[in-house]
Amino acid sequence: EPEVTQTPSHQVTQMGQEVILRCVPISNHLYFYWYRQILGQKVEFLVSFYNNEISEKSEIFDDQFSVERPDGSNFTLKIRSTKLEDSAMYFCASSALNTEAFFGQGTRLTVV
Amino acid sequence: GNSVTQMEGPVTLSEEAFLTINCTYTATGYPSLFWYVQYPGEGLQLLLKATKADDKGSNKGFEATYRKETTSFHLEKGSVQVSDSAVYFCALRYSSGNTPLVFGKGTRLSVIA
Repeated sequence: EPEVTQTPSHQVTQMGQEVILRCVPISNHLYFYWYRQILGQKVEFLVSFYNNEISEKSEIFDDQFSVERPDGSNFTLKIRSTKLEDSAMYFCASSALNTEAFFGQGTRLTVV
Repeated sequence: GNSVTQMEGPVTLSEEAFLTINCTYTATGYPSLFWYVQYPGEGLQLLLKATKADDKGSNKGFEATYRKETTSFHLEKGSVQVSDSAVYFCALRYSSGNTPLVFGKGTRLSVIA
């Protein structure tokens, strides 16, 4: 069964460092998403991506964040200068047109 | 704005007990409603969905009915198993197509033998 895969499963980084979280969406999907869940809080939408551009983003997705689909298979989330409050579980998801989203297993980011 | 509220966990039940996890929503228009489940070490998986009022979603013995009058989508299962232990997320999608999901906080369920 096709699945969304995320790497790494756990990333520890120093405050102020850049991190790149990687995702491989399901191959025939066209819509890609990042969500995050701070421990004990809601799963929050960050950004959606379609046709090589951002289609929607939340207030959380500020200038410190960027997304890219560099090679037609990977979908990455970059945090330019991490803060302690960026520590969270980050979920990637993908979907086909008008279908539900399929999620990866998540990357736990810990900023120290 | 659009939001989802679900009951606080954790919920601990004995095997074969009846499960209810409450979920209510606030939304403009007519959202689609979903339950996702996250088993330990895995990603979020769609459990069931309902796209219009009075629809009932069902899967793996779980059910939820879209109640517009009470803005609710409570998850139920008649007889839980140890393998149902997971975190359950209620979510809505506020329009058709591929708009983002709005999630609740999640409810952790532990089923003991």
